[in-house]
Parts: sequence; C-alpha cells; structure tokens
Amino acid sequence: DAGVIQSPRHEVTEMGQEVTLRCKPISGHDYLFWYRQTMMRGLELLIYFNNNVPIDDSGMPEDRFSAKMPNASFSTLKIQPSEPRDSAVYFCASSFGTSYEQYFGPGTRLTVT
Amino acid sequence: GQNIDQPTEMTATEGAIVQINCTYQTSGFNGLFWYQQHAGEAPTFLSYNVLDGLEEKGRFSSFLSRSKGYSYLLLKELQMKDSASYLCAPTTDSWGKFQFGAGTQVVVTP
Repeated sequence: DAGVIQSPRHEVTEMGQEVTLRCKPISGHDYLFWYRQTMMRGLELLIYFNNNVPIDDSGMPEDRFSAKMPNASFSTLKIQPSEPRDSAVYFCASSFGTSYEQYFGPGTRLTVT
Repeated sequence: GQNIDQPTEMTATEGAIVQINCTYQTSGFNGLFWYQQHAGEAPTFLSYNVLDGLEEKGRFSSFLSRSKGYSYLLLKELQMKDSASYLCAPTTDSWGKFQFGAGTQVVVTP
C-alpha cells in the first residue's frame, strides 16, 4: 500500500486566499484524522471522521476552517480566508478503528504570508 | 480540558537506557499511545497500552497505570537514530479521540 497520501506537500499563499489540502487515506481504514502542528501548540487534532461522517470537530479553530470527506478515499481541509497564523504543518492520518495505530501522511507545510 | 505532562528534553549516550514519563488527566480514558517523530517527518506509531502493565516490543517498552494516570516509555540500548521527539497521547473519549502531549525531545550522544 502507498500509505496515506497528502497534497500538496508545500503551499505558500497570501493572506486572504483560499487554501485546500487533500488527503487519501489507506484503503480499508474507517477513521480519518486531520492534525495541525506548530512549534508553539504542538500537534493538535482538528477534526476526525468515521466512515466518512465527522465525529468531532471541536478542534477546528474557527469558521474559516472546514473539512469534508465525500467518500472513503478522499478528504479535504479548506481554509478560507487564510491568515498568517494558519502557517503550520497539516497532517492527515487514518486508522482501522480507534484502538489501532494511526498512519500519518507526510504532511503539508503551509506558509501564509 | 485535558492535561498531559512529559519532560521537554532528555539527553543520553549511545547504548544507555532512557525512561520518558507521562502523566495525564483526561475526561474519558480508553488507552494511551506513544509515537516517535523525527525532525521534519510525520509521527510513527510505537505502542498502545490499554491495560495496566508493561508492553515490550524489542528495544522499546511502554508501561501504563490507569489508576495513577501515568505511563512511561523505556528506550533500551539507545542508538543515534533514536534521537527524536516522543509523543505521549492518551485517549480522551469513548470514541477513541486522543490528544498529544507536547513531546519529549531525546538527544542521543556518542
């Protein structure tokens, strides 16, 4: 298996622009997680899905952030409008059940200028 | 809210043993994960403890005491490649959602 795939790997955008991050989980996994990692705040869970349904989005910072999972093999995290404080590495991870290890994608490094 | 406490940094020499402690207070606990993260890379799974006691996996072992809200990760026969951040992550609800600690940076010296 190719593992969790994320795109793009790097994104540089200007404040106010819309940013869309993409994730393809490992085939057969029923949980998908979106994380954000910064030096100041560490690794934070933003939202997670079970069988394509959002279970907990309490970690989403504000209404500028939204996430969707239209099918079992694809998810997006959108930031609109983006701000410099959104600069971080965004990881997507998937797992089979919650009592099993999560496999992380390589991350998207977002820089908002 | 959740509270996870682990040391910021630990230094040890090659071949030595290091124990990384983690204490936590969560509103709903099912188990605790340990992840390793090398600089610039994604976290990778090391262990998952559900029951009290020690789980051993080669050079790495993880211990859990549910009543004490305490876990440790033991790294034996340290190698240079073990230099990384180690993240403690207790679950926080019945769905299995979990929260990562800030991580312990382990520096292995020759």
